[in-house]
Amino acid sequence: EIVMTQSPATLSVSPGERATLSCRASQSVSSNLAWYQQKPGQAPRLLIYGASTRATGIPARFSGSGSGTDFTLTISSLQSEDFAVYYCQQYNNWPPWTFGQGTKVEIK
Amino acid sequence: QVQLQESGPGLVRPSETLSLTCTVSGYSSSSDYYWAWIRQPPGKGLEWIGSIYHSGSTYYNPSLKSRVTISVDTSKSQFSLKLTSVTAADTAVYYCARPVTIFGVVVMGAYGYWGQGTLVTVSS
Repeated sequence: EIVMTQSPATLSVSPGERATLSCRASQSVSSNLAWYQQKPGQAPRLLIYGASTRATGIPARFSGSGSGTDFTLTISSLQSEDFAVYYCQQYNNWPPWTFGQGTKVEIK
Repeated sequence: QVQLQESGPGLVRPSETLSLTCTVSGYSSSSDYYWAWIRQPPGKGLEWIGSIYHSGSTYYNPSLKSRVTISVDTSKSQFSLKLTSVTAADTAVYYCARPVTIFGVVVMGAYGYWGQGTLVTVSS
């Protein structure tokens, strides 16, 4: 099973600032990596797939990069609606598909 | 637009079987499907439970494989999850989901469609 490790666990950022979230895989997952946003009481929402492709309707301030074992999600200028928990997930080796433990982006 | 809705008991006794159904709407093909169940214990992260594909193939998380069955009823546009011998550790919000499709190609494992989730509590 591929283990996904996200850092940091919590990120405190002021509105308008840039947020950088990291995700590391225990072995290469090529570019088969997705990022999700989850707000309290809601289902996760797909932001990025293929490590860097934004899903339909996702604002351009969200960008993903990386391949192999190291990945980054960048939110260029945080808006109030972006404060949430973010998960990475690999879909290269299965079963199972595996998720990271999440990074909570909170208001500084 | 694909929509998914989970349904089933919110409370299950320990050692019994958890049974959930996901009803799919807005999806015209009954012969081409890729459905999944994913769960999230309260305050914790996401865990993929398993998937079923139109080929008839099912794939389960090895950690749950001995207790999980996923099946589909295309005539009702539904697919189901059964988890046997549940314990308190199975208490979670259970989501049904479908991968995103880009230009007709299914991106396996990238879940673009989710149900709202249903909380199942295992308790006596």
